[in-house]
Amino acid sequence: SQQGEEDPQALSIQEGENATMNCSYKTSINNLQWYRQNSGRGLVHLILIRSNEREKHSGRLRVTLDTSKKSSSLLITASRAADTASYFCATEGQGAQKLVFGQGTRLTINP
Amino acid sequence: DADVTQTPRNRITKTGKRIMLECSQTKGHDRMYWYRQDPGLGLRLIYYSFDVKDINKGEISDGYSVSRQAQAKFSLSLESAIPNQTALYFCATSPSLQGTEQYFGPGTRLTVT
Repeated sequence: SQQGEEDPQALSIQEGENATMNCSYKTSINNLQWYRQNSGRGLVHLILIRSNEREKHSGRLRVTLDTSKKSSSLLITASRAADTASYFCATEGQGAQKLVFGQGTRLTINP
Repeated sequence: DADVTQTPRNRITKTGKRIMLECSQTKGHDRMYWYRQDPGLGLRLIYYSFDVKDINKGEISDGYSVSRQAQAKFSLSLESAIPNQTALYFCATSPSLQGTEQYFGPGTRLTVT
């Protein structure tokens, strides 16, 4: 069974708008990671947030983590057509030393 | 050159055939993983290895086997392929530290007819 549940499953916005994706999980974690996948290609790591962190930034990406609600969000600001991809959250459980992936959010940026 | 390579990139095979997917990495990582991805779904872990002598089953290991020939090489075998093993297969690596990112290969698209 998958740990992460992502919402929405698909998101379509106009270029320049902000995109927000959410991830919920079930058990205690060491960290939560976000990955990006362009169509049919390998995943690329975007950002890692540890369980004792609440917010993290990387360029146009902002990730938040609320361990009390077991949820995280990924915000992409000022979206570009090149941001079109699927985005996955993955959790590393306490003591697990491996990742469990959610089903992903398919993001489409319309020019 | 890519840090994590997979061969073949595409493969069509028939039901009942044995097939091997290979993964090589130049990152010097001890940990390697095999995942499968089905359309519209996330990745599910098949097997993982924390070093050459350490092999572990993942969430969906039935019907698969692996071999860690060296630190840099991790192969996945389907002993007798069946159509529901049609999927995209990814290899990944990570350092031997908890809480680090994984590095993915480009994937192998496998079709079993």
